[in-house]
Amino acid sequence: EAQVTQNPRYLITVTGKKLTVTCSQNMNHEYMSWYRQDPGLGLRQIYYSMNVEVTDKGDVPEGYKVSRKEKRNFPLILESPSPNQTSLYFCASSLSRSADTQYFGPGTRLTVL
Amino acid sequence: TQLLEQSPQFLSIQEGENLTVYCNSSSVFSSLQWYRQEPGEGPVLLVTVVTGGEVKKLKRLTFQFGDARKDSSLHITAAQPGDTGLYLCAGPARGNEKLTFGTGTRLTIIP
Repeated sequence: EAQVTQNPRYLITVTGKKLTVTCSQNMNHEYMSWYRQDPGLGLRQIYYSMNVEVTDKGDVPEGYKVSRKEKRNFPLILESPSPNQTSLYFCASSLSRSADTQYFGPGTRLTVL
Repeated sequence: TQLLEQSPQFLSIQEGENLTVYCNSSSVFSSLQWYRQEPGEGPVLLVTVVTGGEVKKLKRLTFQFGDARKDSSLHITAAQPGDTGLYLCAGPARGNEKLTFGTGTRLTIIP
């Protein structure tokens, strides 16, 4: 089944404790991205990647890192999480560019205390 | 500044009624996508409109892209409870690989 998976689905952590949210897709897509979704602000893009070893900032990249060492994986790293990073995070992939259909993962709800 | 403004933000109507939601921008988009998101899930694509003035139909849903490619609308005929969800429009601004999403319209259809 074609899908985007994220782990964990739920995470409660404390300020400053490094964490990684994994994202994997099995559709051989080139384009992958991370979004956060907050009430009243909608979905905002954090980082995107157009191919292996090619990443770029989205609209709200501060406090996040990403890597794209393999085509299928695009982890999101929070080196020192803060409470304002409490949010619902989505990973998405598409064939080759942002204008293509985005396939979203199920989301990761992160709470930073 | 939000590039894509959606209205209304919330809409609650009775089953069987018709409704229209809007997605507006001051920027030109090469294409616009419409997604529906249900609780606990990620957004799922409904349709992509590409040409100015284009109209696409998906059963009871009709999508229109403005002539100037700055706005779009979604019209639902005879709404059903299964239409309940968060409707999002999204588009890549010209020459930009960042995908911008609107703030969404949260639609509730009351049986």
